[in-house]
Amino acid sequence: SAVISQKPSRDICQRGTSLTIQCQVDSQVTMMFWYRQQPGQSLTLIATANQGSEATYESGFVIDKFPISRPNLTFSTLTVSNMSPEDSSIYLCSVEFDGTFFGQGTRLTVV
Amino acid sequence: QKEVEQDPGPLSVPEGAIVSLNCTYSNSAFQYFMWYRQYSRKGPELLMYTYSSGNKEDGRFTAQVDKSSKYISLFIRDSQPSDSATYLCAPRGRNTDKLIFGTGTRLQVFP
Repeated sequence: SAVISQKPSRDICQRGTSLTIQCQVDSQVTMMFWYRQQPGQSLTLIATANQGSEATYESGFVIDKFPISRPNLTFSTLTVSNMSPEDSSIYLCSVEFDGTFFGQGTRLTVV
Repeated sequence: QKEVEQDPGPLSVPEGAIVSLNCTYSNSAFQYFMWYRQYSRKGPELLMYTYSSGNKEDGRFTAQVDKSSKYISLFIRDSQPSDSATYLCAPRGRNTDKLIFGTGTRLQVFP
C-alpha cells in the first residue's frame, strides 16, 4: 500500500479566493487522482494527473477552475479557484499502487 | 440510470450480526470490483477487491460478484461496533484506473 499525506486537512475560505491542496505520497507513482465528495454524495473523479503531462479532466470539470500540478512522481497539487459556496466539499487525492489508495481528504468550507 | 446504485442506509444492526451490503451496476465492461470503508472524517480505505465473478474471503469479510446479474455484495460476519462506517462499492473496467463509486451505505453496529 501507499501512505498519502494531504494538506490542509480542513479550511474555511472566503468566496472569490483560491485554495491549493497538496498531496504527498511515500512512493513513486505514475498516476494520481483528485476526487470530490460533496455532502451526502459519492466520490466524483475530477481529474487524473500523470507526471510530465497535462492533467486529464472529467466531464464537468475544467482546468481554469481546478488547475493541477504534478511536478514529480510523489507530489501533486489541486487548486480550487475563484471559490463559491457550491465548492464546499471534501477533496481527496488518491494513487494507484496495486489498488487505489486515498489521502485523508481536505474539508473545504466556502463562506 | 446511474452506473452504480447502492442503498444509502443507514443500516443498523446489533453486534454479532451478519451484514449484507449490496450494489448493482449497469456497465458490463466492469471487471474489478472494490469495496472501501470510510470512517467519519477520514478518507476511504480499501477493504478488498475481486476480479470478475466469484467470491473472495478475508477474515470476517466476504466479497461476492455476480456478473450475470450485475450484482455486488459484501458480507460482514460477527459484526463489531468498530465496523460502523460507510461502505462504498467501486467497480472499474479492465483497461482503466478510473473507479465509479456508489453513494455508500452507512452501517451502524450497536453493542
